[in-house]
Amino acid sequence: EADIYQTPRYLVIGTGKKITLECSQTMGHDKMYWYQQDPGMELHLIHYSYGVNSTEKGDLSSESTVSRIRTEHFPLTLESARPSHTSQYLCASKKGGYNEQFFGPGTRLTVL
Amino acid sequence: ELKVEQNPLFLSMQEGKNYTIYCNYSTTSDRLYWYRQDPGKSLESLFVLLSNGAVKQEGRLMASLDTKARLSTLHITAAVHDLSATYFCAVDPNNDMRFGAGTRLTVKP
Repeated sequence: EADIYQTPRYLVIGTGKKITLECSQTMGHDKMYWYQQDPGMELHLIHYSYGVNSTEKGDLSSESTVSRIRTEHFPLTLESARPSHTSQYLCASKKGGYNEQFFGPGTRLTVL
Repeated sequence: ELKVEQNPLFLSMQEGKNYTIYCNYSTTSDRLYWYRQDPGKSLESLFVLLSNGAVKQEGRLMASLDTKARLSTLHITAAVHDLSATYFCAVDPNNDMRFGAGTRLTVKP
């Protein structure tokens, strides 16, 4: 069973707040990803990382930042939350090579 | 720009029937992934297809990959209610896994 964790699971905040969504995995995977997904809809890649000190931008990266200081940890920060950020945020990781991703349980974010 | 297109996006079928979901992608990729997502849940991996002509089966689901046509299919045989979920295909030609829009499958008795 995959060991990838996200906190918080649910978050309701006001507009303009700075928030950090946490993602940790204990599988030693090099690659980690953040996706935004409205319920049952398409996944949009926000950021990804090939390993420590490596971060890359996806399609929705302009309003958020990530860091990868440790292999197991890949936090996502929204500097100023807006109602348009209301969505589910999924973190995933995978080993190198042609392996599948393992997904965390998600963080459901509501910005009022 | 990489595009991953699935069709149909919505599928309602009777129990016991067969159907195929299609996944087309716009760039060269010799690997393709299928995932399942239940309502309110995260994604779980179904199949990893790693070469042209690859075919994998698990229960009532069978996936295949044609890299020359840039096409993968997910075939459902004798559908049962438990298969109701959203199915996503994904490719990662640049190690940046990109997903299709998903096919929302509902199996009715």
